[in-house]
Amino acid sequence: DQQVKQNSPSLSVQEGRISILNCDYTNSMFDYFLWYKKYPAEGPTFLISISSIKDKNEDGRFTVFLNKSAKHLSLHIVPSQPGDSAVYFCAASGNQFYFGTGTSLTVIP
Amino acid sequence: GAVVSQHPSWVICKSGTSVKIECRSLDFQATTMFWYRQFPKQSLMLMATSNEGSKATYEQGVEKDKFLINHASLTLSTLTVTSAHPEDSSFYICSARDRIPNYGYTFGSGTRLTVV
Repeated sequence: DQQVKQNSPSLSVQEGRISILNCDYTNSMFDYFLWYKKYPAEGPTFLISISSIKDKNEDGRFTVFLNKSAKHLSLHIVPSQPGDSAVYFCAASGNQFYFGTGTSLTVIP
Repeated sequence: GAVVSQHPSWVICKSGTSVKIECRSLDFQATTMFWYRQFPKQSLMLMATSNEGSKATYEQGVEKDKFLINHASLTLSTLTVTSAHPEDSSFYICSARDRIPNYGYTFGSGTRLTVV
């Protein structure tokens, strides 16, 4: 059973606009959430994280929001840039890591 | 959906012994599997790419004689940490991609290795 879900396999956004990537999870015991970015032929790189005791964490153009009651996580990228085009994975950790299946973001110049 | 099963989820072993980690794709055929090492709150480090029926491709700096990878079937890849040392203690994660590209990448739940 998929404990972390990214229901949108792909997303296209115009350069300069906001990109919103969504992630849902099922286990309320997860205490840490992460977003990874992956370019083709490379391993995922850590992007931003959030502890379950917070509901927002911001780092430059990237903001992660956590809604514990809805068990929902989102990553906002604003403004979006063509270099942001990549596959984004969300992950949740408790005793183990659980990853979503990824959302491919394309930022159109 | 696609599921990847990784076992064991955690293991403690003595220095000098070897540990095998299995990664299975349960409902799809994975021609390619990836092995990662996760350091706390850091990026996943790609260790190697495993292709069914051929030798694995190791990333620079990863000792292929120490981290043996075997991908003997379309549903199973194994990572064996040989002659483990305490510095090998880490979280190891596998990932597989279905032949159908839209399935994307599916990750195992990881193996926490502690070498004492």
